[in-house]
This record gives sequence, C-alpha cells and structure tokens, in this order.
Amino acid sequence: QQQVKQSPQSLIVQKGGIPIINCAYENTAFDYFPWYQQFPGKGPALLIAIRPDVSEKKEGRFTISFNKSAKQFSLHIMDSQPGDSATYFCAASIRGDSWGKLQFGAGTQVVVTP
Amino acid sequence: DTEVTQTPKHLVMGMTNKKSLKCEQHMGHRAMYWYKQKAKKPPELMFVYSYEKLSINESVPSRFSPECPNSSLLNLHLHALQPEDSALYLCASSQDGQGDQPQHFGDGTRLSIL
Repeated sequence: QQQVKQSPQSLIVQKGGIPIINCAYENTAFDYFPWYQQFPGKGPALLIAIRPDVSEKKEGRFTISFNKSAKQFSLHIMDSQPGDSATYFCAASIRGDSWGKLQFGAGTQVVVTP
Repeated sequence: DTEVTQTPKHLVMGMTNKKSLKCEQHMGHRAMYWYKQKAKKPPELMFVYSYEKLSINESVPSRFSPECPNSSLLNLHLHALQPEDSALYLCASSQDGQGDQPQHFGDGTRLSIL
C-alpha cells in the first residue's frame, strides 16, 4: 500500500515550461516532505524539502507548494531546462522517527525538450 | 562527485555465487541504509544501521546479509540470489537517522543475476 501517491507518471515539456508534479499522503504523522532528483545511472539526490508549517519554499528554479488541509504537496520547476530531465520522487517521513524512514512516491519522469 | 562511494558499479553473478557489495562514506554520518531499486520504481528500503547496529530489516530474505564493520563502511553480502534480485542496489547515509535529515545516496551497484 503506497503511503504517498505521486502523479503524473511522466511528463514532457518544452524548454521554459513549468512542469508540475503532485503528491498526496494520508498519514497525518508525516511532517517532513523532501523531493529527490535522479538522473539515469545516478543515485537520487535531495533537491528541496518542506515542513508542514510552511506553505511554499523556493530554491532557485524549484518551488514546493504545501497544502496541509488537503494533505497535498507539489513541485514546480520554473523556466525548465533540458538539464532538468530526470526522474523526480516525492517522499514523506516523520521527523521524530529515529531511523529516517522515507516513504517514496512512485516517481515522475520529466523530459524537457530543447 | 558523490560523497557516498559504492563498489563495484556493476556486478554479474550466477545464482550459486557469493559476492559482496561495499559502501563507504566519510561525512561522519552515523546512519546508513541499503535500498533496492527496480527500473522505473522508487527505492525500496532494505536495511537501516544506526550507530553500527542493525535497526531495521524490512523483511528482506536471508540471502541478503548486511554488515557494518565501522561507522564509515557498510557491506551487503549476497548468496544464492534469484533472477528477480537483479536491480540497482543503493547505499545512503544520514547524520544520525532523524526523519528530517537528508539522505545522501551513492550511485549504486547494478546487479544482474544470471
């Protein structure tokens, strides 16, 4: 049973477009929501993370929006570039968890065309 | 360059072989993780070591045997694997395993079982 649901499975945008990836969760104990970016042949790398006391967080061209009441969060990639083509995973965890267990979404493959 | 180093990068083995995967980090992290990742899927947690003690075993078959010789090293011993065990095996580390700490992933070992 997947605890974090991610959509879409894949998306293609033109350079400069804004791909948007959505995630939803049920477990209200989750209080830390990271996004990981994975390029082919590489391990995932932390991109940006948010806590539920914040509704939006920006780091460079990447923005997370968080809706606590709807139990949803999303990643926007502003002014997307071909180098952003990768698989993106949302995740959720519990800050008080002693072992940092991450619940990953299914992943979204993003392709940015030139 | 990734701060978590995994060797070998690729491994092909028969079902009767015994081999080991190695992971090393020099960030002073005290939590280390093994994940299995199938193509186009998110990483699946296998084991968590916290302060060199096995803290989580996600019901992984006994043909996978983890070992943490010291705080910088993590091994995964493989024996009598099945074809369905072919996957990318990822190692990760975090500062001390708290749920809001980023996990740093290596680039993985791609394992093929003949």
